[in-house]
Amino acid sequence: SQQGEEDPQALSIQEGENATMNCSYKTSINNLQWYRQNSGRGLVHLILIRSNEREKHSGRLRVTLDTSKKSSSLLITASRAADTASYFCATALYNQGGKLIFGQGTELSVKP
Amino acid sequence: GAGVSQSPSNKVTEKGKDVELRCDPISGHTALYWYRQSLGQGLEFLIYFQGNSAPDKSGLPSDRFSAERTGGSVSTLTIQRTQQEDSAVYLCASSSVGAGVNTEAFFGQGTRLTVV
Repeated sequence: SQQGEEDPQALSIQEGENATMNCSYKTSINNLQWYRQNSGRGLVHLILIRSNEREKHSGRLRVTLDTSKKSSSLLITASRAADTASYFCATALYNQGGKLIFGQGTELSVKP
Repeated sequence: GAGVSQSPSNKVTEKGKDVELRCDPISGHTALYWYRQSLGQGLEFLIYFQGNSAPDKSGLPSDRFSAERTGGSVSTLTIQRTQQEDSAVYLCASSSVGAGVNTEAFFGQGTRLTVV
C-alpha cells in the first residue's frame, strides 16, 4: 500500500483563491517533499521539509509538517490558472536509505 | 547532461515481447529511482539504486521486471514477456545523494509504454 495518502483527490477553485492540499503518511520519515506534474509526464520539485521542521515557505507556497499526526499540508496562495496541475507529496522513509515514496496526488484546477 | 534523459519517449510493443527502457541521470548523481504511473494514478515505486547497487527492489511487480545500473550512471529497466497491464508511463529520477539525506529528485519526461 502507498505510504502517502492525499486529500482531496481533486480541487477546483477560482483564480486568486488559496488552495490547500493535505498529505498523510504511515511510517517515520527523514523528510517530506512536494512535487508538481503537468500533463502526466515529468515531475518538478517544489519544496522539501525536514522531519525536524514545522513550516517552510517558498514564494506563494507554504508547507507545514506535523510529525505527531504524520501529516503535511501544502498551501498555494493567490492561485493562478498556471498553477493547474497535479500535486504529489513524497516521503523519504526513515532508515530506508534514499527510498522516496509518492502519494496518489491532488488534481488542482484553477479557473480564470 | 543538463537533466535526466529517458528513451524512448514512447514505445508500442506487442504482447509477449521484451522491452528495454533507458535512463541517463544527471551527471554525478548517485541515487536513481524508477517509478510507474498508470493513467490518472500516483507514482508506484519500482526500484532504487545507490551507485550500482539496488538496496530496495521491493517494488518490482513480478520477476518479469528487472533493472540494472552500470558505471554508477545509465540504468536500464527491462520488462520481459510484456502484458497489457504493463502499459503505463515509466518515470526515472535521480538525486545527488539520496532523498533520505534531504536532497530533491529530478525527473525525466518518462517513457510511455503501450502493450497491444
